[in-house]
Amino acid sequence: AQKITQTQPGMFVQEKEAVTLDCTYDTSDPSYGLFWYKQPSSGEMIFLIYQGSYDQQNATEGRYSLNFQKARKSANLVISASQLGDSAMYFCAMREGPNTDKLIFGTGTRLQVFP
Amino acid sequence: DTGVSQNPRHKITKRGQNVTFRCDPISEHNRLYWYRQTLGQGPEFLTYFQNEAQLEKSRLLSDRFSAERPKGSFSTLEIQRTEQGDSAMYLCASSYWGQGLSYEQYFGPGTRLTVT
Repeated sequence: AQKITQTQPGMFVQEKEAVTLDCTYDTSDPSYGLFWYKQPSSGEMIFLIYQGSYDQQNATEGRYSLNFQKARKSANLVISASQLGDSAMYFCAMREGPNTDKLIFGTGTRLQVFP
Repeated sequence: DTGVSQNPRHKITKRGQNVTFRCDPISEHNRLYWYRQTLGQGPEFLTYFQNEAQLEKSRLLSDRFSAERPKGSFSTLEIQRTEQGDSAMYLCASSYWGQGLSYEQYFGPGTRLTVT
């Protein structure tokens, strides 16, 4: 079974609108961390936001927020007020358990923002 | 404040040759990671270090791959007897780990390997 599933290969959003990128995860470990990274066409992975499994509140970082639904094992990224520069690949990743620091990535969602 | 740097940025090699990549992490970071990314996929974990100790290595990592971080600063990833299937982007990342807490990984620009 896939550890991280991103079911949207591509998404379109109009500038200034909000968009939600879906991510579901699979783990039986109670301790885990969830990350979102952005990868523009230049190739460099840019950290956006982090949610720990024990965090009581949803994480927010500027225009990024993480809609964390633990029971549904989902960690969707919400981008508010989209900008043209948000066009990129977005990857959801998980660090599973307290004894490892490796990240397991999904296959990504390509977001295109149009004027 | 310099980020993670990787050299070379691009490498073209013939099948059967050995290649070596270098990664320089952010200076205060004690953990260093290697990932591989093929077209249309997310990065796939290869290995990671804390200081000079290699803490974890992917079971998918062939014996042809070896990574070192001899002085706990920069790291090298060597691929021996390259195969066409090794063609990918090799990403390095670093992070700070302390007091039982691990923080986000910062990635370098990657080294794109093409094996002909």
